[in-house]
Amino acid sequence: DTAVSQTPKYLVTQMGNDKSIKCEQNLGHDTMYWYKQDSKKFLKIMFSYNNKELIINETVPNRFSPKSPDKAHLNLHINSLELGDSAVYFCASSPTGGGYTFGSGTRLTVV
Amino acid sequence: AQSVTQLGSHVSVSEGALVLLRCNYSSSVPPYLFWYVQYPNQGLQLLLKYTSAATLVKGINGFEAEFKKSETSFHLTKPSAHMSDAAEYFCAVSDQMIKAAGNKLTFGGGTRVLVKP
Repeated sequence: DTAVSQTPKYLVTQMGNDKSIKCEQNLGHDTMYWYKQDSKKFLKIMFSYNNKELIINETVPNRFSPKSPDKAHLNLHINSLELGDSAVYFCASSPTGGGYTFGSGTRLTVV
Repeated sequence: AQSVTQLGSHVSVSEGALVLLRCNYSSSVPPYLFWYVQYPNQGLQLLLKYTSAATLVKGINGFEAEFKKSETSFHLTKPSAHMSDAAEYFCAVSDQMIKAAGNKLTFGGGTRVLVKP
């Protein structure tokens, strides 16, 4: 069983489109995250949810909207996609006070 | 604010040689420190973590790291490199694990390790 699973693994879309990435964890962790890895491999946190409550919201364009229907799921919706949104997006989860488990990433390419 | 600096974006080692990856951190509170490995087209896997217990931390795949507060360093080593160690390595810092809240990881820029036969 995959601990943190993201779908889709690859996403190619045109500028201006709206897309969603889904994430699910079966570890029973309380906290989930979205990180963005750019073309230079730099990783930066975008959002964090703890038990469905938004607790970290870094400086991210408001075209990005996370949604957590329950503590096992954290989805990322992106409106009006831009070329600069092309990156690998990682979902992760952690127990309260514990270390991260990462998903395998979603490679988003905006053309 | 926390920050992490990894010295050297690329490191090339011969198979069987010592692997040394350097990481320096900045944190206003006692830090928790991590090393992650990323293989091509995969997610990040935890190698080891320092959480204020022993300063010498042993991880998976023969890696270890030593926390040196006076030098604000957390360098990663492996005595003998294997071809399978070729990957990207990330050092990360977190403030103390805050209960009932997420702990934000701040990553260094990564070091790509190339292992030569």
